[in-house]
Order: sequence, then structure tokens, then C-alpha cells
Amino acid sequence: GQNIDQPTEMTATEGAIVQINCTYQTSGFNGLFWYQQHAGEAPTFLSYNVLDGLEEKGRFSSFLSRSKGYSYLLLKELQMKDSASYLCAPRPVGGSYIPTFGRGTSLIVHP
Amino acid sequence: DGGITQSPKYLFRKEGQNVTLSCEQNLNHDAMYWYRQDPGQGLRLIYYSQIVNDFQKGDIAEGYSVSREKKESFPLTVTSAQKNPTAFYLCASSIFSGRAEGPFYNEQFFGPGTRLTVL
Repeated sequence: GQNIDQPTEMTATEGAIVQINCTYQTSGFNGLFWYQQHAGEAPTFLSYNVLDGLEEKGRFSSFLSRSKGYSYLLLKELQMKDSASYLCAPRPVGGSYIPTFGRGTSLIVHP
Repeated sequence: DGGITQSPKYLFRKEGQNVTLSCEQNLNHDAMYWYRQDPGQGLRLIYYSQIVNDFQKGDIAEGYSVSREKKESFPLTVTSAQKNPTAFYLCASSIFSGRAEGPFYNEQFFGPGTRLTVL
């Protein structure tokens, strides 16, 4: 199985930077997804990390350390529309390769 | 436009009734999935299908059933045996089942969800 730990809730100010951490324990690891989910809506894909390091994609970046079982999502220049839940989802090796989703971090952006 | 649809968005049923949730995709994806989401919990996998006419149980399959007669469709039936059916149900699809290959992350594309309330 995979134990996934991410903070339940975070708050930040518009224009600021926020880092959402995710730690995971898995017997086999292929890569890690981050998804964004606005309240009552479908999750949408943000990033996928396979190799160690930081991958930047516009205002959003995602970091992975395979040896530490650790990832973070970095959101820059926060906007009100970034208020959402952010789901960390490691993908296991073997079997169905279906990712397991964490409980999500609810980010609230204040003006 | 390609996408994945679920209907209806809201569904109310009386306790003891079976109910079927629709999921359709025109993305030509081989793999499809059903998840359940409860407040404060992550997405939990109910069933998945890697190919037409084949499906596998996920982590919480008890009280649910599925079929995959067509590539585009993966309906979920919530039976009266499901003890706590009130939840937000999400359907998803991906190009194929398995790990990322080449330029494909093989990420999941989600439908808008159906919120089921059993009275």
C-alpha cells in the first residue's frame, strides 16, 4: 500500500508563494501526480514527476525526491482562482499502475 | 470537443433502490475508472477497466457493479448492498492502463462527477 501525507488546509495571500508538501511511503514507485480540484468539480492534471528535481510549468512547479519519498507543489503569484484542493497521487510500480490519491490540501487564497 | 461526461450531476434515491451512474468518453481511451470521494478523504477506487469486456475490483468494490460493453461507456451501479452510498462519484479515463511511456504521462481525465444522495 501507499501512505500519503499532506496538510489538510493552507491559507495564503494573493500574489504570494505557497508550497504544498506531500510525503509518501510505497513499496514500489513509478512517479507522482499532482491534480487541482475546485470545490464540487473534477480534478484536473497539473504535473507528473518521475525523476528527482524540480519541473517548472508557468506559475506552478513540482519537485520530487524519490529517495526521501517527498514531493512539493509550488504555486507562485497566487491568484484568487488558485483556491482549490491539491491532490498528491503517487503511482506504484507494477500491477495496474493506478495512482493512489492523498486526502488533498485545501488552499484558501485571501485578497 | 473530446471529453468525458457523467450524468446526472445530482441524483436522489430512496434507500434500498439500485441506481446506475452514467459515464461516457470520446477520447478513445482504453482505460476507465470509478472513484468515490467523501468529505475529508481522498479519491477511493471502486472499479477499473483496462479494456472492453474486462474490469477489475478496486479498493472499495463491495456494493457496486460495473460493465464495459463498449469502449466509450463504463456505467456504475450502486446497489442496495452498499451501506453508505451517499457520496460524490467521479469517473475517469486514461489512454491506456499502465505506467507512463514515451511522451505520455498517462494521466487520468476526470468527468464532472455525480453527487448521489440516498434518502
